[in-house]
Amino acid sequence: EPEVTQTPSHQVTQMGQEVILRCVPISNHLYFYWYRQILGQKVEFLVSFYNNEISEKSEIFDDQFSVERPDGSNFTLKIRSTKLEDSAMYFCASSGGREGDYNEQFFGPGTRLTVL
Amino acid sequence: QQQVKQSPQSLIVQKGGISIINCAYENTAFDYFPWYQQFPGKGPALLIAIRPDVSEKKEGRFTISFNKSAKQFSLHIMDSQPGDSATYFCAASWRNSGYALNFGKGTSLLVTP
Repeated sequence: EPEVTQTPSHQVTQMGQEVILRCVPISNHLYFYWYRQILGQKVEFLVSFYNNEISEKSEIFDDQFSVERPDGSNFTLKIRSTKLEDSAMYFCASSGGREGDYNEQFFGPGTRLTVL
Repeated sequence: QQQVKQSPQSLIVQKGGISIINCAYENTAFDYFPWYQQFPGKGPALLIAIRPDVSEKKEGRFTISFNKSAKQFSLHIMDSQPGDSATYFCAASWRNSGYALNFGKGTSLLVTP
């Protein structure tokens, strides 16, 4: 069964450093998303991406964040200058192999980001 | 502003019992209401979902009940099993917001043997 994969599973970085989180969405999906989950809290939407551009973004997704689909398979989230409060689990999701399936989002296993 | 409110925060049910988790939403533009199951250290997994044109959807032991006028929906887990012990999140989305999922705060379910 196709699945969303994410690398690395755990990333430790120093405050102020740049990090790139990587995701490989399900191959025939057209919508891609990033969410984050601070430990013990709810899952929060960051950004959705369709047709090589941002479709929607939340207030959390400020100028420190960017997304990119550098090739036909990868989808990345870059945080330019990490803060302590960026420590969270980051989930990639994808949806939409065809019209009508765009709602059904499938999540990856997540990348745990720890900012020291 | 919390767009999706979920209760209870935690729930303990005996094996074989019925688990009921409730959610309420505010935005009447929402047109898709999924439930996700999450085990520790894993990503959320889509369990079951409903659209507002139906009042109930059943898949195996899992049922969503939807009340459009009250802006509420609930998940019922029949014959609950210890393997159902997980955190459950309700969510809501609408296509004009890039299908962004608005999650509830989650319910930690423990099914005792």
